[in-house]
Amino acid sequence: GEDVEQSLFLSVREGDSSVINCTYTDSSSTYLYWYKQEPGAGLQLLTYIFSNMDMKQDQRLTVLLNKKDKHLSLRIADTQTGDSAIYFCAEWETDKLIFGTGTRLQVFP
Amino acid sequence: DTEVTQTPKHLVMGMTNKKSLKCEQHMGHRAMYWYKQKAKKPPELMFVYSYEKLSINESVPSRFSPECPNSSLLNLHLHALQPEDSALYLCASTPRGVGTGELFFGEGSRLTVL
Repeated sequence: GEDVEQSLFLSVREGDSSVINCTYTDSSSTYLYWYKQEPGAGLQLLTYIFSNMDMKQDQRLTVLLNKKDKHLSLRIADTQTGDSAIYFCAEWETDKLIFGTGTRLQVFP
Repeated sequence: DTEVTQTPKHLVMGMTNKKSLKCEQHMGHRAMYWYKQKAKKPPELMFVYSYEKLSINESVPSRFSPECPNSSLLNLHLHALQPEDSALYLCASTPRGVGTGELFFGEGSRLTVL
């Protein structure tokens, strides 16, 4: 598969908003996903968006999709120290999930 | 029960050893996956079982041998591994077979090959 790109690192102050960006490759992807991985743990599905939507909100999480530019973002409102983790976007490609390179989010007090 | 359980959590083995990783889920999920994750990298797909049959093998070396004894269990048999095989091995499952990206992951088995 081709690369799904994310910026490597993001540092935010507690209480601020975080925005994690992702550029994907397959314009035919029907679903796009965000996963969270805490240190030493497996991945946890946070949210997903169907490709015919441009926005989805789920409590503190907002997903924005720009299909023309193949750009996906995850906004976390009121970021907390418990949000510190690695965030992976992922696209469903034919018969498997392709993960992005991952963004490490660090939240400081 | 909404968990995927992996054992052991940590495994250290020599290059001549034979060991196995085990994964179990009791959610009635019909597809199960093995992923390999190196440090600071995304997970890479190794194998997929759908309805207890191997449906995807991502050209994984034969020193890794998957097995799905029943719909709840997935094993990964390891033999003659190399130090570069040291990684976190993640098991995942999905409810309706292959075709969805809504994966439920276990905590992983961290493997060190000496």
